Amino acid sequence: DQQVKQNSPSLSVQEGRISILNCDYTNSMFDYFLWYKKYPAEGPTFLISISSIKDKNEDGRFTVFLNKSAKHLSLHIVPSQPGDSAVYFCAASRAGANNLFFGTGTRLTVIP
Amino acid sequence: DAEITQSPRHKITETGRQVTLACHQTWNHNNMFWYRQDLGHGLRLIHYSYGVQDTNKGEVSDGYSVSRSNTEDLPLTLESAASSQTSVYFCASSPLAGGPNEQFFGPGTRLTVL
Repeated sequence: DQQVKQNSPSLSVQEGRISILNCDYTNSMFDYFLWYKKYPAEGPTFLISISSIKDKNEDGRFTVFLNKSAKHLSLHIVPSQPGDSAVYFCAASRAGANNLFFGTGTRLTVIP
Repeated sequence: DAEITQSPRHKITETGRQVTLACHQTWNHNNMFWYRQDLGHGLRLIHYSYGVQDTNKGEVSDGYSVSRSNTEDLPLTLESAASSQTSVYFCASSPLAGGPNEQFFGPGTRLTVL
């Protein structure tokens, strides 16, 4: 049973506009949520995370929003750049545990 | 600089052959993981280890095995390769649990089983 879901397999955005990537989860016991970015022929790299006790975390152009009541989080990229074109994975974890639960990924294409 | 490496980067093999994919990390991380990435499935956990001599089955462990004889290495073995095991395989490592449990990934191995 997929505990972390990314229902949009792909997203296209114009350069300079906002990209919004969405993620839903089913397990209310998750304590942390992470976003990973993956370029072709490379391994995923960590982008940003948020604790379940917060509703927003910002790092430069990247902001993650968490809505615990809706079991939903989103990654906002503003402004989007062509170099942001990649597959983005949402992941979740529990405090004290070592495993991450990954979503299926969303391919973002930023059009110049 | 500390890193995590995988070898080979590409491998073509035949059905029924035994294949071993190597993973080596120099971070001295206790935790190591193997995932496979397939279209429509994202990253699925195959096996993981929380330390030397410790191994555990993940979501899709059938047909795979791992062993952990030291901190740095977690080789993944396909006992008898099947076409369904054609995939991209990623190794990852992380320190002991704490915080968001960020994992650090290797560059991947693309395996084709003919």
